[in-house]
Amino acid sequence: DTGVSQDPRHKITKRGQNVTFRCDPISEHNRLYWYRQTLGQGPEFLTYFQNEAQLEKSRLLSDRFSAERPKGSFSTLEIQRTEQGDSAMYLCASSLVRQYEQYFGPGTRLTVT
Amino acid sequence: DQQVKQNSPSLSVQEGRISILNCDYTNSMFDYFLWYKKYPAEGPTFLISISSIKDKNEDGRFTVFLNKSAKHLSLHIVPSQPGDSAVYFCAASARETSGSRLTFGEGTQLTVNP
Repeated sequence: DTGVSQDPRHKITKRGQNVTFRCDPISEHNRLYWYRQTLGQGPEFLTYFQNEAQLEKSRLLSDRFSAERPKGSFSTLEIQRTEQGDSAMYLCASSLVRQYEQYFGPGTRLTVT
Repeated sequence: DQQVKQNSPSLSVQEGRISILNCDYTNSMFDYFLWYKKYPAEGPTFLISISSIKDKNEDGRFTVFLNKSAKHLSLHIVPSQPGDSAVYFCAASARETSGSRLTFGEGTQLTVNP
């Protein structure tokens, strides 16, 4: 399977802890996106990379959130000092540069207790 | 500010009949529209898309219609099958003004009854 993969699929953490998620995009895709989805809502854009450059960040991405794509391949999303409001599904997607269609991974479900 | 809205949280249809899912948008800069399907515990799966220069795009049982003057699009599924039961998200892109982000609606849960 050469789709987008995300790890872990589920994460339970206590408030105040740091968590890190990983995303591996489709291999030939040079754009990688992070979204967050809460219950009853559609995915909300957080940030995206073209190769290793972070080109756009949403105002939703507070100072506690940081994303990297160091070699233009996989990406990590870190949340520091987690809060209960961070509980959500974190989705990663990838695409080619000229492509509107984005292809999503299965997501990482974060629960902050 | 909800720029993409799906006003029907749920829709139930009989197998073999047509399913029509609706989506409205407010941002006139949107130039590309997409529909995604999502099963529980999976990420959204791309279904079909349409450019703002077209008013219809068809792919098998799925057809998307775009009415730019009304800022409205719809997804028609015919005939509907039980395997189509999922949450459907409408999404839009305004590449000139908003980069590559997709803006999603809230989703519509489609249930196709055998």
